[in-house]
Amino acid sequence: GQNIDQPTEMTATEGAIVQINCTYQTSGFNGLFWYQQHAGEAPTFLSYNVLDGLEEKGRFSSFLSRSKGYSYLLLKELQMKDSASYLCASFSGGYNKLIFGAGTRLAVHP
Amino acid sequence: DGGITQSPKYLFRKEGQNVTLSCEQNLNHDAMYWYRQDPGQGLRLIYYSQIVNDFQKGDIAEGYSVSREKKESFPLTVTSAQKNPTAFYLCASSNSGQANTGELFFGEGSRLTVL
Repeated sequence: GQNIDQPTEMTATEGAIVQINCTYQTSGFNGLFWYQQHAGEAPTFLSYNVLDGLEEKGRFSSFLSRSKGYSYLLLKELQMKDSASYLCASFSGGYNKLIFGAGTRLAVHP
Repeated sequence: DGGITQSPKYLFRKEGQNVTLSCEQNLNHDAMYWYRQDPGQGLRLIYYSQIVNDFQKGDIAEGYSVSREKKESFPLTVTSAQKNPTAFYLCASSNSGQANTGELFFGEGSRLTVL
């Protein structure tokens, strides 16, 4: 089977750091992905982890532990424009079926 | 410019009518996808296609149909059999097979409302 879980909502303060967690159970693991989606818009790709460890990309970093079926997205120096939904996704059974979690709505406050 | 185009952006349908949503890409991608998103929810996979003239059902294919006669095009028909079709529909494309890094390129979406 396949299952991707992440918290429904989070709030944080401008300038702070926030960590969004994701746990997954998918058949034939081939990578864990994070997407950002602003309200009413299409998702945009943020990161891709296939090996354990931390991948840093500017203010955003993504971590993966394959043995624990766990990933997180770390957002530093939060800005108001970071208010969005963050979607965790993983391949299921090969490289062509990308399954998404329900998303975490992040609200950044001044 | 290369990209993926969905049309129409907004669509209203009466109950019992079939509607077709268009999706065209000029990124030379082999794989194309249709997702449905309901308010406050994540994306659920309707259908996907890895290559021309081939497609597979996703998790919520009932009441939908697709075709993949051309590499560039992957239209989705929402049939009258879909009991709750009001949603935001997203089309996406990517490289296929092991060249697929999971980076999907999405269209701007089509918002379907059933009256």
